[in-house]
Amino acid sequence: DIVLTQSPDSLAVSLGERATINCKSSETVLYSSNNKNYLAWYQQKPGQPPKLLIYWASARESGVPDRFSGSGSGTDFTLTISSLQAEDVAVYYCQQYYKTPYTFGQGTKLEIK
Amino acid sequence: QVQLQESGPGLVKPSQTLSLTCTVSGGSISSGNYYWSWIRQPAGKGLEWIGRIYSSGSTNYNPSLKSRVTISVDTSNNQFSLNLNSVTAADTAVYYCGRAAYFYDSGGFNPLAIDIWGQGTKVTVSS
Repeated sequence: DIVLTQSPDSLAVSLGERATINCKSSETVLYSSNNKNYLAWYQQKPGQPPKLLIYWASARESGVPDRFSGSGSGTDFTLTISSLQAEDVAVYYCQQYYKTPYTFGQGTKLEIK
Repeated sequence: QVQLQESGPGLVKPSQTLSLTCTVSGGSISSGNYYWSWIRQPAGKGLEWIGRIYSSGSTNYNPSLKSRVTISVDTSNNQFSLNLNSVTAADTAVYYCGRAAYFYDSGGFNPLAIDIWGQGTKVTVSS
């Protein structure tokens, strides 16, 4: 199975500041024939299902604020929130859909400092 | 707007079979290029992909659960289901169903990420 390791496990950022979450894959999730990275980012708030933020590593899902951005390729990926808002407090997960079984990172808990 | 809703018993006894159904509303489970997944999340823990099914009935399962899992589709009722047998306390979790698209290009099959999730249903395994 592909193992996704997120860092840090938790993060406290001041309102308006930048938040950065990393996701490292145990093997590449880049499909060379189409140059797409099969990696997504989700946001999960307490008592709610995950919400898709980013797919193909950097494509923003419709309706997601542009302060959320994804980057990276191959095995190393980053989710960046450019200016943290109070409603961004949540747990964030990366997920690979390159190879079954699809797997998730362990999650990163984002809080306000 | 497509919505998913999980349903099923909230309490299952050890060694018995956990059975859940996901009802799709706002669209047909048979139309378009979509696959339909089950994912679970133990309390306070991360997400585990259980498996998926296409409207054709073709399935893929997580090898960690493969011997105990069956996912099926009922296109006439716009539902898909999860059966997990021989459950133990370790199967206690919130179970989610989800929808994802796929497409084919010159490189072959291309799945997309799960973009629609049900609200989840909590299942406890206990005697």
